[in-house]
Amino acid sequence: LAKTTQPISMDSYEGQEVNITCSHNNIATNDYITWYQQFPSQGPRFIIQGYKTKVTNEVASLFIPADRKSSTLSLPRVSLSDTAVYYCLVETGLYNDMRFGAGTRLTVKP
Amino acid sequence: NAGVTQTPKFQVLKTGQSMTLQCAQDMNHNSMYWYRQDPGMGLRLIYYSASEGTTDKGEVPNGYNVSRLNKREFSLRLESAAPSQTSVYFCASSPDRVAETQYFGPGTRLLVL
Repeated sequence: LAKTTQPISMDSYEGQEVNITCSHNNIATNDYITWYQQFPSQGPRFIIQGYKTKVTNEVASLFIPADRKSSTLSLPRVSLSDTAVYYCLVETGLYNDMRFGAGTRLTVKP
Repeated sequence: NAGVTQTPKFQVLKTGQSMTLQCAQDMNHNSMYWYRQDPGMGLRLIYYSASEGTTDKGEVPNGYNVSRLNKREFSLRLESAAPSQTSVYFCASSPDRVAETQYFGPGTRLLVL
């Protein structure tokens, strides 16, 4: 099982860029890295997924170094509505390998 | 297109009572999942169904049973509820393999007294 480690919490201010790093030292060759966002009283929502280098969509960017032992979720110009818990997952393609962990609680302040 | 729906939204049970949590998806997904989330923790997989007609245990299956009624519906049953099963339950679906995006329902908050 690919175990992930993330900071428990982070604080930021509106308009700033936020980078959340996830460590996954034993990631396997075929594994993907996926990030989910969860607001209070809601189910998680997919943000972004990547395999290597950089992936960008309308919401975030995901940076993955060449050794793939870590990844960084980048949220540009955060707003109050980005306050949520962010989960990093290493997905092996095996159904029983899903491990969400405790996630990173991001608090955006005005 | 409602996505993933769950019923009920909230339920209170007494120890020993039984109940079934319902989940349905309208995205024609093959795979469906049940998770539980306890305070301050991430989600833990209870059971999953890779495709219609199949179900398998996840990380924490004890005390639960599931039924994949058809491609759309996946139910979770607690035969004899215990206070340790107080949690928020999420159903999810994905097109196929788990590495594809999972779409989550709004959750069912269960309190067992």
